[in-house]
Parts: sequence; structure tokens; C-alpha cells
Amino acid sequence: GENVEQHPSTLSVQEGDSAVIKCTYSDSASNYFPWYKQELGKRPQLIIDIRSNVGEKKDQRIAVTLNKTAKHFSLHITETQPEDSAVYFCAARGGNTGFQKLVFGTGTRLLVSP
Amino acid sequence: NAGVMQNPRHLVRRRGQEARLRCSPMKGHSHVYWYRQLPEEGLKFMVYLQKENIIDESGMPKERFSAEFPKEGPSILRIQQVVRGDSAAYFCASSPGTPNYGYTFGSGTRLTVV
Repeated sequence: GENVEQHPSTLSVQEGDSAVIKCTYSDSASNYFPWYKQELGKRPQLIIDIRSNVGEKKDQRIAVTLNKTAKHFSLHITETQPEDSAVYFCAARGGNTGFQKLVFGTGTRLLVSP
Repeated sequence: NAGVMQNPRHLVRRRGQEARLRCSPMKGHSHVYWYRQLPEEGLKFMVYLQKENIIDESGMPKERFSAEFPKEGPSILRIQQVVRGDSAAYFCASSPGTPNYGYTFGSGTRLTVV
């Protein structure tokens, strides 16, 4: 089955800096890679996703890149703000039927200091 | 659109009692997933269900835990004879089941076993 590894486990940056979180996956058939943000005591919320036929996707200050050959994908946050502080989870899903669960990474705690 | 509804939000049970957690998926979503999250940890897959079918229960303990998603009504995660180690946040998510589509999570049920 799919296995997703995520690094780093914690990341501290100054407001305005960029933050990068990296994930690797094991199943070469995986074709969908979402990222979730979870604030303390709240539900995980989808912030961006990428499909295997795309190498990069941007949405304002966040972007995700995918390298299928190396089986890794990354989340990039530019011009970080204190409200970006949260735990971020990457995930991957393999197969083409839809009958596959998302497998999550272990999370990255991002702290943005003013 | 009410989103994914979970209840109760908080549940306190004494050791040995039963816990029932409910999840109503988003309108139009026929696939339900349950995840467990321990404090300061990631999202651990438990079970994936469609209406009246268990698709994948590979993450659910064989004893004391069961799940169902009946034709009518919410999905239920049932934990019998709870122990302190069952204390966690239990998140339900739903999706329409089409490939390359993310989950929408509910607000979670925080189970405390005393």
C-alpha cells in the first residue's frame, strides 16, 4: 500500500519569509495529492491539490509542485503571515477507480513569528 | 450546504462503556472515511465505507471497533468497552467517490475515556 513521508516535522519562520514542506510517496500509481491545513482544535481543511498530469499549481501565496519521477511533492508558502501558523498535512491516493483512501503524511507544524 | 456533520462534538465515557460516533456526509457524497487523531499526532486511517458496504477496514482494530453506513441515516463508528487509549479525536470525511477528488472533513468528535 501507499506510504507517505513528510518533512520537516516542525518549521519556524519569520513573517514574510517563505516556507517549504516536502513529501515523498511510495506508490507510483498514485495520481492525486492534496494538502490540508489544520488549526488547533479544528478540522483539517483542503487548501490546494494537484493531479499527476500537472507539475505545478498556484493559488495566491501557496503553490504545490509534483515530481512524478522522484515521487515527491512539495508545498510552498510565500510571504508567510502569522495566520499561516498551523499543522499542514500532505496526502496521496493511488489507483484510478476512486476506491482508494487518502494516505496522510505525519504533519508539519508551521510557526510564523511576527 | 451543511457540510459533513459529526455528533457529538465531545463525548465522555467511563472505561468499559460504549461510544457511538455519528457522521452525516455532505449532500451528494456517498463515500465516508473515519480517521483517528491522537494529540500532537497525524491522521490515522480507520475505515472507508459506502452505503451498506465496507470498502476498506484495514486501519480498524479487529476487536471492540465496528463501523456501518446504512442505507438510511448517518455512518456510525462504534467502540465497545472503551479504554483510556481510545481517547482521541475521531474525524469523519466524505467524498463523492470520483477519482482525484479530496475529502471534506467534519469537525470531529473528541472522545475522552475516564
